[in-house]
Amino acid sequence: EPEVTQTPSHQVTQMGQEVILRCVPISNHLYFYWYRQILGQKVEFLVSFYNNEISEKSEIFDDQFSVERPDGSNFTLKIRSTKLEDSAMYFCASSDEQTASTDTQYFGPGTRLTVL
Amino acid sequence: AQSVTQLGSHVSVSEGALVLLRCNYSSSVPPYLFWYVQYPNQGLQLLLKYTSAATLVKGINGFEAEFKKSETSFHLTKPSAHMSDAAEYFCAVSRRRRALTFGSGTRLQVQP
Repeated sequence: EPEVTQTPSHQVTQMGQEVILRCVPISNHLYFYWYRQILGQKVEFLVSFYNNEISEKSEIFDDQFSVERPDGSNFTLKIRSTKLEDSAMYFCASSDEQTASTDTQYFGPGTRLTVL
Repeated sequence: AQSVTQLGSHVSVSEGALVLLRCNYSSSVPPYLFWYVQYPNQGLQLLLKYTSAATLVKGINGFEAEFKKSETSFHLTKPSAHMSDAAEYFCAVSRRRRALTFGSGTRLQVQP
């Protein structure tokens, strides 16, 4: 069964450094999302992406964050200058046209980001 | 704005007992509702969803949920708990082509 994959599974970085989290959505999906889950807290929406542009973003998704689909398979989340409070599990999700019509999203296993 | 409230951050049941995980939602328009499960060190797996068809929704692993508009609820049930059901369960709501809003989660423990 097709699934969303994410790399790396765990990323450790120093405060102020840039990180890029990578996701490979399910191959025929066109809608892409990033969520994060700070340890012990609820899963929070960051951004959604369709047709090479951001379709929705939350107040968490400030100028330090950016997303890109650099090729036909990858979807990336970049944090320009990481802060301690960026430490979280970051989940990528995707939908196809049919599942997007009912907001059904398929999630990857997550990348645990630790900022020291 | 939409929101989700999950009553009980921890629920413990005996193996073979009924599982009931509660979810209440708030939405200004008819919502789509979801239950996801997260096993330790894994991602979120879709259990079931309500998208305005049948109000009783059956999902994977024997789980089901009933949409009750009058009570703004979407509680998750399973008649007989299994040890492998131990995980964290998240209720989520969306509002037509918008992002998912998650509840704070309920950790289910299953005692032998």
